[in-house]
Amino acid sequence: ETGVTQSPTHLIKTRGQQVTLRCSSQSGHNTVSWYQQALGQGPQFIFQYYREEENGRGNFPPRFSGLQFPNYSSELNVNALELDDSALYLCASSLGSGSKVTEAFFGQGTRLTVV
Amino acid sequence: AQTVTQSQPEMSVQEAETVTLSCTYDTSESDYYLFWYKQPPSRQMILVIRQEAYKQQNATENRFSVNFQKAAKSFSLKISDSQLGDAAMYFCAYRGNTGNQFYFGTGTSLTVIP
Repeated sequence: ETGVTQSPTHLIKTRGQQVTLRCSSQSGHNTVSWYQQALGQGPQFIFQYYREEENGRGNFPPRFSGLQFPNYSSELNVNALELDDSALYLCASSLGSGSKVTEAFFGQGTRLTVV
Repeated sequence: AQTVTQSQPEMSVQEAETVTLSCTYDTSESDYYLFWYKQPPSRQMILVIRQEAYKQQNATENRFSVNFQKAAKSFSLKISDSQLGDAAMYFCAYRGNTGNQFYFGTGTSLTVIP
């Protein structure tokens, strides 16, 4: 166990709806990154939050947004859900940012299905 | 952009035998980190081993070792004395020294045959 917890574990949503996924980072970690893992693929970077500020973003549209709270937990929000948003969403917790990060610890993921 | 390639979608190994998983990457950076992560059916990504590019010595963690060839941009994982619990998806990942994100390959599904 890494100490990174995500909720919910599974979720089914209808196309066009909005969804919020949650992540509690490992104790002492101030950086949270979100990844999307489509079936049969490796994880793709969505964005990172460091000390409550967005600190890098991958090639995802603005309807993917996030937040980080003072306790360093984080939310991933996706608006106007599309069928292709069906995937496993992984949260990764680390300490520091940029060159200070040597490894990340992942949660068990949230499986989102859009119908 | 950095890319990570795993050319073996599936591999199998007999229990107690040795298997090597391949990974190549493309980057223009000179300083970076490479990782192998294991993802069992529980879905949680578990760090197996890490290599700093500035270190010439190959990393080793118990039964897991890497063959890091910086000039060839190759980073293979060797699993010795394979165990049933090693069965999982294995992802090779790259992180630049200045970047924020990990770049993952498409994974290799490892089956361990009793």
